[in-house]
Amino acid sequence: QVQLEESGPGLMQPSETLSLTCTVSGFSLTSNGVGWVRQPLGKGLVWMGTIWAGGSTNYNSAVQSRLSISRDTSKSQVFLKMNSLQPEDTGTYYCARHERDNQGGYVMDAWGQGASVTVSS
Amino acid sequence: DIQMTQSPASLSASLGETVTIECRASEDIYNGLAWYQQKPGKSPQLLIYNANSLHTGVPSRFSGSGSGTQYSLKINSLQSEDVASYFCQQYYNYPTFGGGTKLELK
Repeated sequence: QVQLEESGPGLMQPSETLSLTCTVSGFSLTSNGVGWVRQPLGKGLVWMGTIWAGGSTNYNSAVQSRLSISRDTSKSQVFLKMNSLQPEDTGTYYCARHERDNQGGYVMDAWGQGASVTVSS
Repeated sequence: DIQMTQSPASLSASLGETVTIECRASEDIYNGLAWYQQKPGKSPQLLIYNANSLHTGVPSRFSGSGSGTQYSLKINSLQSEDVASYFCQQYYNYPTFGGGTKLELK
């Protein structure tokens, strides 16, 4: 079945670069896009960016200058890198699969369990 | 960016009751609308996509409706396991989410 699992460091210092990995199974990264979504503790969900099946990427304009998403299709892994971390980047980071719906849109239909990241000195 | 305004922010209802959550988009999203359920400490789970299509394995007491800029999620015959937060998301353009609705039992 479709599974996604995030991994990465839990505690970061301000100004450092965050690196998270999303390891997927049950589908191919060349068939589905994978997006990243952040959720501050007790708050709502914010899409950060997506790497599509063809390898192209799109980013939320609010973090675009600091964010990079890449992948290794041979290892079924998607990577998030975000530099210049600040305390407001604290939250849970989810990766999620994009699946094409019957009207041509790409809904996020399967999510990982999330990786908790705290940015603090 | 397309803004999603979700209401109410919180909701208290009794077992067996029918509840409705609303979402308004800042522009037409042509049914590119999903609803997610999130329980404490868990990841969001897809309930509805395409505004009114039930995701695999989701109980039929959940339903979605709407078009244009106005959408709603209805839960019939509320069960205890439905206590959760609910989020709408438009995916017609780059994804944006509503602020969420926290559903509690009365």
